Amino acid sequence: EVQLVESGGGLVQPGGSLRLSCAASGFTFSSYWMSWVRQAPGKGLEWVANIKQDGSEKYYVDSVKGRFTISRDNAKNSLYLQMNSLRAEDTAVYYCARGPATLNYWGQGTLVTVSS
Amino acid sequence: QSALTQPASVSGSPGQSITISCTGTSSDVGGYNYVSWYQQHPGKAPKLMIYEVSNRPSGVSNRFSGSKSGNTASLTISGLQAEDEADYYCSSYTSSSPLVFGGGTKLTVL
Repeated sequence: EVQLVESGGGLVQPGGSLRLSCAASGFTFSSYWMSWVRQAPGKGLEWVANIKQDGSEKYYVDSVKGRFTISRDNAKNSLYLQMNSLRAEDTAVYYCARGPATLNYWGQGTLVTVSS
Repeated sequence: QSALTQPASVSGSPGQSITISCTGTSSDVGGYNYVSWYQQHPGKAPKLMIYEVSNRPSGVSNRFSGSKSGNTASLTISGLQAEDEADYYCSSYTSSSPLVFGGGTKLTVL
């Protein structure tokens, strides 16, 4: 059974940093693109970033370029999102998902709240 | 990276059919067959319902179908059931950014 479990969310002050993790199991992690998608409270889904199987290609939504970094450790079956210079508008539930464009499995999400 | 356009809400009675539209441009919906649809119940993670315009993942009811004409994709749900009440999001690959979502549509089963 495919499982994606996010962790690392929490309350952080504006300008602060957080590192999200996503532990994958039930499939060959190293064979798939992986993505991060976020959802602000009461709002719609927003794609954030994705990463190729070997980490050689990474793409970001404009609003996080230069602040967020997606990475992966295939030996640990884990996906990461390093978030720096956080802003109030980054407050959201962050989901990891399998795939680049078709996201066929999703985690349950981890809440990031940016507030003073 | 503008979001795809979906109606904010649609409604239907049990047993009826409804269609949700998703309008983009030739740089996303119209240019690629990588349109997906997701269902999201309150407090839950999204679930893939349709991929590559009209394909259903294993386990998804055949009451759900997808299509595309020009720059507009559509999700049709036939034989509406109470459990179909949820938010629905379309997404598409784009030429400027790997993925863009629609704003979401709230489906109410009357």
